Amino acid sequence: GDSVTQMEGPVTLSEEAFLTINCTYTATGYPSLFWYVQYPGEGLQLLLKATKADDKGSNKGFEATYRKETTSFHLEKGSVQVSDSAVYFCALSDHGNQFYFGTGTSLTVIP
Amino acid sequence: GAVVSQHPSRVICKSGTSVKIECRSLDFQATTMFWYRQFPKQSLMLMATSNEGSKATYEQGVEKDKFLINHASLTLSTLTVTSAHPEDSSFYICSAPEAGLGEQFFGPGTRLTVL
Repeated sequence: GDSVTQMEGPVTLSEEAFLTINCTYTATGYPSLFWYVQYPGEGLQLLLKATKADDKGSNKGFEATYRKETTSFHLEKGSVQVSDSAVYFCALSDHGNQFYFGTGTSLTVIP
Repeated sequence: GAVVSQHPSRVICKSGTSVKIECRSLDFQATTMFWYRQFPKQSLMLMATSNEGSKATYEQGVEKDKFLINHASLTLSTLTVTSAHPEDSSFYICSAPEAGLGEQFFGPGTRLTVL
């Protein structure tokens, strides 16, 4: 079945460091891929998405490219800020409404 | 974008009581809504799929008599935790797909604490 494997955390970075959070997926079809962010005590917010191979999703300085050949959707940001501290979830949807989430990666950015 | 609300955002109750959590799609209709449970520092676990006008579909291992789901209208689904126990304490999140945008929108979550 469909699934998402996400880099385990926690990840601790200094401000302005480069961030990569790895995400790979398994799917029988051609899913859409998502990154969600969860700030402490809050629900999930969509960070970015990509709906087909080679699409690049971007938002707030974060980017992820849908790589069909490597079944990956790694999240990157060139320079993290303290306000980026949160838990990040990779997810896929098979267009049938069902979402499959990775285990989440906790990011802490220190000044 | 589409908005999904949950009420209450936080609830504390005694063991043995029942708690109802509401999930509403504010500016779109949703024939299907999803209920998730999130344990501390863990990912979301899909509990059930709420279907407007029909019975909910529960994931394996989720007790349907304990977690009652009612999808009363195209904009409202409720999750009732019956005879709550301390181990039911968790963060419950609902979501609804917005067909026009092709994505899922999540509620802000409800923190349930059972004493």
